[in-house]
Amino acid sequence: GESVGLHLPTLSVQEGDNSIINCAYSNSASDYFIWYKQESGKGPQFIIDIRSNMDKRQGQRVTVLLNKTVKHLSLQIAATQPGDSAVYFCAENGWASNDKIIFGKGTRLHILP
Amino acid sequence: ETGVTQSPTHLIKTRGQQVTLRCSSQSGHNTVSWYQQALGQGPQFIFQYYREEENGRGNFPPRFSGLQFPNYSSELNVNALELDDSALYLCASSLEGLTNTEAFFGQGTRLTVV
Repeated sequence: GESVGLHLPTLSVQEGDNSIINCAYSNSASDYFIWYKQESGKGPQFIIDIRSNMDKRQGQRVTVLLNKTVKHLSLQIAATQPGDSAVYFCAENGWASNDKIIFGKGTRLHILP
Repeated sequence: ETGVTQSPTHLIKTRGQQVTLRCSSQSGHNTVSWYQQALGQGPQFIFQYYREEENGRGNFPPRFSGLQFPNYSSELNVNALELDDSALYLCASSLEGLTNTEAFFGQGTRLTVV
């Protein structure tokens, strides 16, 4: 079965607030994680990644946190904008997978006006 | 835009037929991976092609096959189509040897089997 999964299928956030999307994984040997954003009618778009030797990584308006103790990672989006509406996937790319990316089921982020 | 192009964008086929989907990788990328995304699900890895050979395969039956050409473009072929094959088929290109961040997805081909 899949080694990544998301806690909630849908998340509604007020425009301007921060969004937090959570993800759990089961394979303790997983060493690389990626967050993707998929807008309607488009393919997944890379947002940010993190390796298992890190616990936090920041990008532009996004932060990924990794807690290896409880096998959990999260994506934080600051000052959520209407353009952030999409489905967000956490994904795993194992060290021996030759770029095989294992996706979870996704969380739909809905921005409230 | 990622530079990965897929054709056709939409396709309707009848159960039992065969289909060929095409993907042109981003310039400079020599590895192509194919994914199947059912409605409301995350993409599932089908297989990957590197240097014109299959380089890893997911849990898909042999009727899913592929090719990679010298220009690194790729085809996905599905024989004996079943209703459950209806999905969005995604192609991702990457450059083998770089970090695993360099995987860019196309917009996909929406296949409907009736």
